[in-house]
Amino acid sequence: AQTVTQSQPEMSVQEAETVTLSCTYDTSESDYYLFWYKQPPSRQMILVIRQEAYKQQNATENRFSVNFQKAAKSFSLKISDSQLGDAAMYFCAYRSADGGATNKLIFGTGTLLAVQP
Amino acid sequence: DAGVIQSPRHEVTEMGQEVTLRCKPISGHNSLFWYRQTMMRGLELLIYFNNNVPIDDSGMPEDRFSAKMPNASFSTLKIQPSEPRDSAVYFCASSAPFGGGPESRNEQFFGPGTRLTVL
Repeated sequence: AQTVTQSQPEMSVQEAETVTLSCTYDTSESDYYLFWYKQPPSRQMILVIRQEAYKQQNATENRFSVNFQKAAKSFSLKISDSQLGDAAMYFCAYRSADGGATNKLIFGTGTLLAVQP
Repeated sequence: DAGVIQSPRHEVTEMGQEVTLRCKPISGHNSLFWYRQTMMRGLELLIYFNNNVPIDDSGMPEDRFSAKMPNASFSTLKIQPSEPRDSAVYFCASSAPFGGGPESRNEQFFGPGTRLTVL
């Protein structure tokens, strides 16, 4: 079974600085998708960024980028130029790409990010 | 598009009562998921439908929980009888079908969640 581990329960960053959130996963599959979701106090789950395992190039979305290390099964999220609105719980998630029944997301336990003004 | 719609947003009930949570997925999406979020267990999948058919219900905790999807635009999650340990935030999410390329099924769009409190 696949697992997702986020070893940092809480992180803090100064406004305008850069922070990296860690995520590791375990799978025997070769093709899959990885995601970072943001959950602000409103509870809404918001997709931040996605990575397809078959792509070697790291995904980027404006100030958000990932460092995807497939061999190490690592998928970290870097937030550049942190803003107060980035404060939230961040979840790393895994989904199989087999196109069959295993379409569910498997989530890590989350990292609570605080942004200091 | 209005996104995934869930109702109610908040529900407070007493132990033993029946609770029904509702979800309207995004139009055109054919996969629907029910997740539960608690402090102890984090986010976990309860059940997943594809084309209105339950595909994976291995996460449904026990017989007190049941879910239905009578049509492509509506799903319910029912708890009967409810217990205090069922208190959690319940999320519904939907995703698009194949046909738009493999990436079209990548993203699950989440509703705002229902916060359930069982006293």
